Amino acid sequence: AQSVTQPDIHITVSEGASLELRCNYSYGATPYLFWYVQSPGQGLQLLLKYFSGDTLVQGIKGFEAEFKRSQSSFNLRKPSVHWSDAAEYFCAVSGYSTLTFGKGTMLLVSP
Amino acid sequence: SQTIHQWPATLVQPVGSPLSLECTVEGTSNPNLYWYRQAAGRGLQLLFYSVGIGQISSEVPQNLSASRPQDRQFILSSKKLLLSDSGFYLCAWSEDRGGGYTFGSGTRLTVV
Repeated sequence: AQSVTQPDIHITVSEGASLELRCNYSYGATPYLFWYVQSPGQGLQLLLKYFSGDTLVQGIKGFEAEFKRSQSSFNLRKPSVHWSDAAEYFCAVSGYSTLTFGKGTMLLVSP
Repeated sequence: SQTIHQWPATLVQPVGSPLSLECTVEGTSNPNLYWYRQAAGRGLQLLFYSVGIGQISSEVPQNLSASRPQDRQFILSSKKLLLSDSGFYLCAWSEDRGGGYTFGSGTRLTVV
């Protein structure tokens, strides 16, 4: 069965600073990988996805993620964080028919 | 374009009362449908998924059930709510494995 680990429960970043959120996955075959963002009290919005091809994936809102098979990682990055990026971020891996999510990383943005 | 509707947005129910949460998808046919529950600090827990009418897979044994009476309708139910059923319930749909899920806006359920 697949699994996802997001080792950081909370991260605080200064506005304008760069961001990297970590994600490690476990899956026996070629993974389909996703990053979602959730604002308080809202559903989840898809930021980006990877399932083949270029290992650096561009998403919405200026986010990107890099797939590293050797490290079983799919870290999310943004070069300059805005206050509106404060939210919870979830990494997910797709199995045969369902998505498995990590427990999420809460991003706090300080002025 | 495809849209997903989930209601109600918030719900406060007494212990022992029944529950019915509804989710509908528009603009697609034969979607895969999912119910997730989100509790603080526990991420998203898959409760049920369905790949077709009348086909329900349960991931976690519990006090809840799901039904899919129509192609684009997915219902989450309980006969008697427990305090532990409180949480944020999310419905989602997908076309296939690679496309990712599209989520509804969620239902905040508080059992008192």
